[in-house]
Amino acid sequence: DQQVKQNSPSLSVQEGRISILNCDYTNSMFDYFLWYKKYPAEGPTFLISISSIKDKNEDGRFTVFLNKSAKHLSLHIVPSQPGDSAVYFCAARSGGYQKVTFGTGTKLQVIP
Amino acid sequence: DGGITQSPKYLFRKEGQNVTLSCEQNLNHDAMYWYRQDPGQGLRLIYYSQIVNDFQKGDIAEGYSVSREKKESFPLTVTSAQKNPTAFYLCASSPQGAGYTFGSGTRLTVV
Repeated sequence: DQQVKQNSPSLSVQEGRISILNCDYTNSMFDYFLWYKKYPAEGPTFLISISSIKDKNEDGRFTVFLNKSAKHLSLHIVPSQPGDSAVYFCAARSGGYQKVTFGTGTKLQVIP
Repeated sequence: DGGITQSPKYLFRKEGQNVTLSCEQNLNHDAMYWYRQDPGQGLRLIYYSQIVNDFQKGDIAEGYSVSREKKESFPLTVTSAQKNPTAFYLCASSPQGAGYTFGSGTRLTVV
């Protein structure tokens, strides 16, 4: 039972354009969402997060949008850079409970 | 520099052998986790520990064991009962109510 879904396994974007990575979840108890970036043979690194009481959080080129009614969140990267090429994982957590559930990841390729 | 260290980076195991993956953190985080990454399956939780001397099974705990005798350390043993042990293993830690810090991973290959 995949509670966090990233339906696009890969995405290619031209440098300078916007990258939009999508994530859907099924568990309505999730109240905190995170995005991680991962390079091959390395551990994921935290990128940005959003609490369920917000619908948008911005950090530099990265913005996460949350639509609770649709159980959908998205990560926008503007402008996209070649160094953004990596696998992006969406993740979710419920309450103060530490356990985080990850999606299957989306591989982003930014073409120079 | 605070961080989380996994060793070794690459590990080879013969079929039928147990092997232990090391995970050490000096971040003073209470919680620690083990995930496994397989192609197309994202990160799946094996075991987690929210406090010393206590740990819980994750989604795919069969064939694995852990211990949490010290706050800093959370070793994972891959036993011979694990049918498909070849994977990339990731350890993470977190303080209460915050996101994870991951180690750089261990690539385990059964030969």
